[in-house]
Amino acid sequence: GEDVEQSLFLSVREGDSSVINCTYTDSSSTYLYWYKQEPGAGLQLLTYIFSNMDMKQDQRLTVLLNKKDKHLSLRIADTQTGDSAIYFCAESIASGTYKYIFGTGTRLKVLA
Amino acid sequence: EAGVAQSPRYKIIEKRQSVAFWCNPISGHATLYWYQQILGQGPKLLIQFQNNGVVDDSQLPKDRFSAERLKGVDSTLKIQPAKLEDSAVYLCASSLTGGPIYEEQYFGPGTRLTVT
Repeated sequence: GEDVEQSLFLSVREGDSSVINCTYTDSSSTYLYWYKQEPGAGLQLLTYIFSNMDMKQDQRLTVLLNKKDKHLSLRIADTQTGDSAIYFCAESIASGTYKYIFGTGTRLKVLA
Repeated sequence: EAGVAQSPRYKIIEKRQSVAFWCNPISGHATLYWYQQILGQGPKLLIQFQNNGVVDDSQLPKDRFSAERLKGVDSTLKIQPAKLEDSAVYLCASSLTGGPIYEEQYFGPGTRLTVT
């Protein structure tokens, strides 16, 4: 089956690190993604990782993938108030063209 | 390059009325997606087009929802008649080819529908 789950809320203090977690069920995922959604806006791709990688770092963002446990995490270093948003984990499954499955979203609140 | 355009941005209708949403993908993008995002949930794929053909419409409630992509460019999504549970943000996205190599999916700002 296809299911992507995330915790609903996370609150951190400005300057701290944030870790947002995601679990997925489909082992045939090709890529896994993290999207950011600010109020009233569409989804913005933050980063992605190929399913045969364990880690990817992109400036303040670090993605960790544990394929055995089907667990994906996004770490944001030095979290800023501008990082407050909803973060969605997603997986793409190749079946001809890509099919995308999104998680429920984690609302990150950064306290000044 | 211009992004994915959607209109209207907001729509309020009464139940049993009809509504249509429009999407203009990024120029040259072959694949177009319509998602429904209910408040507090992640986007759920309704329909995926490859050029003007339907690739996946397995989660589209076909008794009331319809979509078309004439000439493989713009697309419209229609709901007729609307129900209260259709209240959501309808997101359009596009990508260059749809796979199999990695490519980014670009999202429009969405249309927020409220059914009263």
